[in-house]
Amino acid sequence: AQSVTQLGSHVSVSEGALVLLRCNYSSSVPPYLFWYVQYPNQGLQLLLKYTSAATLVKGINDFEAEFKKSETSFHLTKPSAHMSDAAEYFCAVRAPQYSDDKIIFGKGTRLHILP
Amino acid sequence: EPEVTQTPSHQVTQMGQEVILRCVPISNHLYFYWYRQILGQKVEFLVSFYNNEISEKSEIFDDQFSVERPDGSNFTLKIRSTKLEDSAMYFCASSYDPYEQYFGPGTRLTVT
Repeated sequence: AQSVTQLGSHVSVSEGALVLLRCNYSSSVPPYLFWYVQYPNQGLQLLLKYTSAATLVKGINDFEAEFKKSETSFHLTKPSAHMSDAAEYFCAVRAPQYSDDKIIFGKGTRLHILP
Repeated sequence: EPEVTQTPSHQVTQMGQEVILRCVPISNHLYFYWYRQILGQKVEFLVSFYNNEISEKSEIFDDQFSVERPDGSNFTLKIRSTKLEDSAMYFCASSYDPYEQYFGPGTRLTVT
């Protein structure tokens, strides 16, 4: 069974500072991993995904995440925070088999950007 | 850019009533999903649908829930007799392959 744990339900960073949102996964097989973003009153938008190719994955809006098998982590980073990055971020995992295509989400981390 | 749409954006209903939440997936997508998010909790998988049948469902998806793709474009979630604990944001998602699911904006269901 797969699961993800997001460390910190709220994270605050100053505008221009590094963003680091932490995610650790648990999976009995090499997983597929995702980061989704949810802006206020909107749906879930895929930021990036890892599907067993390159371990450093680049997504939209300068976000990237690195799959580290030894640490079972998939942390999300962005070099310089922008006010528009304020949103809720969800780490998610799914098994790489067609027979199990559901996505398991973490509890989410709300990112606050300080001026 | 094509997107998943959902209607209504907010539905208020009384306990025991039936509700139908509607979704229009992206037109060439083959896989369809419903998820829900109870306020303050994580997004949870409800059901996946492929080739006109349910491919997987969670333990949440009991007999009061049903899904349908009535006309080749809409994808609906019916809750037969709503309970207070069904109050949540319900997200529809669709995908061409199972690896990248596109989510709609959600329907907020409030059961009173």
